[in-house]
Amino acid sequence: QQQVKQSPQSLIVQKGGISIINCAYENTAFDYFPWYQQFPGKGPALLIAIRPDVSEKKEGRFTISFNKSAKQFSLHIMDSQPGDSATYFCAVPASGTYKYIFGTGTRLKVLA
Amino acid sequence: DVKVTQSSRYLVKRTGEKVFLECVQDMDHENMFWYRQDPGLGLRLIYFSYDVKMKEKGDIPEGYSVSREKKERFSLILESASTNQTSMYLCASTVHPGAGGTGETQYFGPGTRLLVL
Repeated sequence: QQQVKQSPQSLIVQKGGISIINCAYENTAFDYFPWYQQFPGKGPALLIAIRPDVSEKKEGRFTISFNKSAKQFSLHIMDSQPGDSATYFCAVPASGTYKYIFGTGTRLKVLA
Repeated sequence: DVKVTQSSRYLVKRTGEKVFLECVQDMDHENMFWYRQDPGLGLRLIYFSYDVKMKEKGDIPEGYSVSREKKERFSLILESASTNQTSMYLCASTVHPGAGGTGETQYFGPGTRLLVL
């Protein structure tokens, strides 16, 4: 069974700091790597995604960096804010199917 | 505004009961998914459906079944609830990926927190 390894499991960052979450995968059906953000009591929602014809994608304070040879991608949150406190999931398209394999999640807490 | 709704936010059931979780999407999406979310285990796929009356097992289908009679509705059924099925259940939907795979956003419902006593 394909696995996606996400780290760290939890992260505490001071306000204004940089939060970094990593994801490593074994195989992918195609090159599309999303990050989802989940607030307590809510379902996950797409935060940012990359189709790696580029190695990096930036949207505001959020950046995805992608290393195809290493089969890794990461989420960087610049100038982290208390409102970013949430659980973050990476996802990888599973080979040969419509489904995605999700990472185990990273619980981020940004201290005010 | 896209929307995925789930029939209940919280459910409490007894061991052995038959449990129905309903999910409805208003986006005319072909694909629908049921996940369970447990601390430290992330989102695990139970079943998914890529068309009406079509279904495929996910990674943890044991103890569950599904039904998709209409495109907008996908039901998860716990035939005989057990305490190890206490969890958060999330429904999601997405369009078919494009030719060669283009990657499509999964839209999630708010979740149903199920407690089996």
